[in-house]
Amino acid sequence: GIQVEQSPPDLILQEGANSTLRCNFSDSVNNLQWFHQNPWGQLINLFYIPSGTKQNGRLSATTVATERYSLLYISSSQTTDSGVYFCAVENWYNQGGKLIFGQGTELSVKP
Amino acid sequence: DADVTQTPRNRITKTGKRIMLECSQTKGHDRMYWYRQDPGLGLRLIYYSFDVKDINKGEISDGYSVSRQAQAKFSLSLESAIPNQTALYFCATSVHPEGGELFFGEGSRLTVL
Repeated sequence: GIQVEQSPPDLILQEGANSTLRCNFSDSVNNLQWFHQNPWGQLINLFYIPSGTKQNGRLSATTVATERYSLLYISSSQTTDSGVYFCAVENWYNQGGKLIFGQGTELSVKP
Repeated sequence: DADVTQTPRNRITKTGKRIMLECSQTKGHDRMYWYRQDPGLGLRLIYYSFDVKDINKGEISDGYSVSRQAQAKFSLSLESAIPNQTALYFCATSVHPEGGELFFGEGSRLTVL
């Protein structure tokens, strides 16, 4: 099945700094999503982005499907951005319709 | 109220006991999923269902069973709980037919002593 690798595994930032999180995947995908898990465990969908670029406030994401990677950009980070960021991918034809998750990037933003 | 509701939110039980985790959704989605999260291992898929009559095993289905009682309800059972099933369990939904955003419940933390 598809392998998903996220980097870096951990990241510590000072408030106001920018960061880039990366997600590499081993096969073609039709579905790619980014999630944020806050320190209380809640999982929130950030982007549905199988290709192209999207922006939502200080967050943006780019997926280059032909090169099998996606990037999540966080600008002007805030302490509320802390938590774990997951990338998840799906290939409708090979996987029968289920998202496979990477192991996440744990982000800590210091005030 | 949350669109995807899980009960119980926390449960402590003993080895050998039967446990059921319940999930209900008001989003009207056909697809429902159960994931398990362990520290450092991300989320792993236990079972998924595309509609009431379609249930499929995920990556780690051994020791678990599910029931899709209605479009809006998907339950996960541990027939005889063991300590290594201690984890955070998430129910999720998405729209059919192909992909679409995944929406999670708030999670159920299960501890098996």
